[in-house]
Amino acid sequence: AQSVTQLGSHVSVSEGALVLLRCNYSSSVPPYLFWYVQYPNQGLQLLLKYTSAATLVKGINGFEAEFKKSETSFHLTKPSAHMSDAAEYFCAVSDPPLNNNDMRFGAGTRLTVKP
Amino acid sequence: EAQVTQNPRYLITVTGKKLTVTCSQNMNHEYMSWYRQDPGLGLRQIYYSMNVEVTDKGDVPEGYKVSRKEKRNFPLILESPSPNQTSLYFCASSSGGIGTYEQYFGPGTRLTVT
Repeated sequence: AQSVTQLGSHVSVSEGALVLLRCNYSSSVPPYLFWYVQYPNQGLQLLLKYTSAATLVKGINGFEAEFKKSETSFHLTKPSAHMSDAAEYFCAVSDPPLNNNDMRFGAGTRLTVKP
Repeated sequence: EAQVTQNPRYLITVTGKKLTVTCSQNMNHEYMSWYRQDPGLGLRQIYYSMNVEVTDKGDVPEGYKVSRKEKRNFPLILESPSPNQTSLYFCASSSGGIGTYEQYFGPGTRLTVT
């Protein structure tokens, strides 16, 4: 079964610094990959998704992620952190060719942005 | 406004007292799911539904029931809650398969079972 591992349960950056949140996946077939963000006291919101088209995916709020098959990674980046980026971020994987009713989430990474 | 609503947002109950958490979406989505979120475990799927009267188990269905009698509603039922069901619960909906399409999440229900 597919799975994801998010390296680092907590990441802290200064405002204006690069944001890098790591995600590695395991899947027996070409996966679909997602990043969701959860702001305090809210539900999850889709940031971006990879569905086997372009390997560099651009999302909302200036975030992007690159699918690297050789590294089985889908890391999330943003060039310059803003205070409003403070939230919890979840990477998720699915394998629609086998099962289109299942999505596995990582444990999450909490991003703190220091002024 | 397109949204998924859940009620109640917060609930404290005692072991064994049946409860229902309601979920409703106004986007005419066919797919709906329930997840629980626990620290260090991320989100785990409890049940999902592909359409009215079509439901199936997710990864952690034990102790939960669901029903889908109307397209817009997907209530989660705990017939005899236990303390290990203390968690943050999310309902979500999507226009197509959960593994392909964007899921829209409700605001969450924080449940405490004492």
